[in-house]
Amino acid sequence: EDKVVQSPLSLVVHEGDTVTLNCSYEVTNFRSLLWYKQEKKAPTFLFMLTSSGIEKKSGRLSSILDKKELSSILNITATQTGDSAIYLCAGYVNRDDKIIFGKGTRLHILP
Amino acid sequence: GAVVSQHPSWVICKSGTSVKIECRSLDFQATTMFWYRQFPKQSLMLMATSNEGSKATYEQGVEKDKFLINHASLTLSTLTVTSAHPEDSSFYICSASRRNTNYGYTFGSGTRLTVV
Repeated sequence: EDKVVQSPLSLVVHEGDTVTLNCSYEVTNFRSLLWYKQEKKAPTFLFMLTSSGIEKKSGRLSSILDKKELSSILNITATQTGDSAIYLCAGYVNRDDKIIFGKGTRLHILP
Repeated sequence: GAVVSQHPSWVICKSGTSVKIECRSLDFQATTMFWYRQFPKQSLMLMATSNEGSKATYEQGVEKDKFLINHASLTLSTLTVTSAHPEDSSFYICSASRRNTNYGYTFGSGTRLTVV
């Protein structure tokens, strides 16, 4: 059964700290790994990772995929209160063109 | 580009009634749309894959007679919750895949269903 596991499930840090969110996957016909940020409503797309070892960056956020370890990390540096959200990791199944979500990491940034 | 509109954003209905939720891709054709359900403080659970012009593919444990999905055109998929019960109260989100350089999914804004 395909599954995506995220850790930690919740995290509370102070503004300015750096956080690392983890995601591991067991997905047959794996195509790519996706990261999303969910605040109040629908998730917003952050990264799609297909190749192992290549870091993708967007401002203070960065992410990398390790296909050997079947895992990915999402880093957020110099965190701000606006980074408070649920961060979802998802595996993209090539065969069915669907994505399987992890349970998410609930991140809370204290001012 | 790549906008998905979901309607209504919230709905309250009585037990036993049916509710229809629409998901439209506004500026692209979505041959495949997905329907998710999200319980409070939990992740998105894939309910079904909706393919234009054919029957939806339901995930294990999802009652297809209760959650009717129709994908009549390349830009519209609907989810009908039939004979709704309070336990059907949840947040429902649709998404559509667009094969662009990111291969990212575009999500609708979600529908908060409350059954009283």
